[in-house]
Amino acid sequence: DTEVTQTPKHLVMGMTNKKSLKCEQHMGHRAMYWYKQKAKKPPELMFVYSYEKLSINESVPSRFSPECPNSSLLNLHLHALQPEDSALYLCASSQEKGSPGTQYFGPGTRLTVL
Amino acid sequence: AQKVTQAQTEISVVEKEDVTLDCVYETRDTTYYLFWYKQPPSGELVFLIRRNSFDEQNEISGRYSWNFQKSTSSFNFTITASQVVDSAVYFCALSDEKGALIQGAQKLVFGQGTRLTINP
Repeated sequence: DTEVTQTPKHLVMGMTNKKSLKCEQHMGHRAMYWYKQKAKKPPELMFVYSYEKLSINESVPSRFSPECPNSSLLNLHLHALQPEDSALYLCASSQEKGSPGTQYFGPGTRLTVL
Repeated sequence: AQKVTQAQTEISVVEKEDVTLDCVYETRDTTYYLFWYKQPPSGELVFLIRRNSFDEQNEISGRYSWNFQKSTSSFNFTITASQVVDSAVYFCALSDEKGALIQGAQKLVFGQGTRLTINP
């Protein structure tokens, strides 16, 4: 089973709203990732969690706040977003002992900021 | 420097034709990993294959095949007898020793993607 789930599938929010994206995996993976993907572009890495600790923050604005409550869950809290933050947000997870792991992606959340 | 180049931005073929998607990579590391992902209109990136730098064997999986050539730094992907369901954006990606963040985690360098359209 290589399933990563994400909720919601679609989200529309105003610039003053607070919302959260959720990602879940039950593959026992210990690394989880958030990516942002704009139309016709490849995914851009935002955050990496390893063993529930934030290990990489790719200079993402503070209006994006990640959280890893446990090894299976990854959240992305959104606050005071801008219209240019509208994008597809993808979650991924990976695990492989002794070598870089294959990342498995979820279906994504399509975010529209009005 | 790490870099992945997918020179073909868009490809359009008629169903049942064979099609090859090109991927050229750059890395100074001797140990690295190459990936292909498929992204259909629904948005999910679907993992297709991973290849290690020390394994140059080509691979075939049904209608899909991959040609890895270290001499030309290429990892091309061929779909034989294409079908409409193959229509998607395909990404080639690289992870090398610099991208190995910690055990189990990695930083992928993606190409710009190739949009493949299979017409009935």
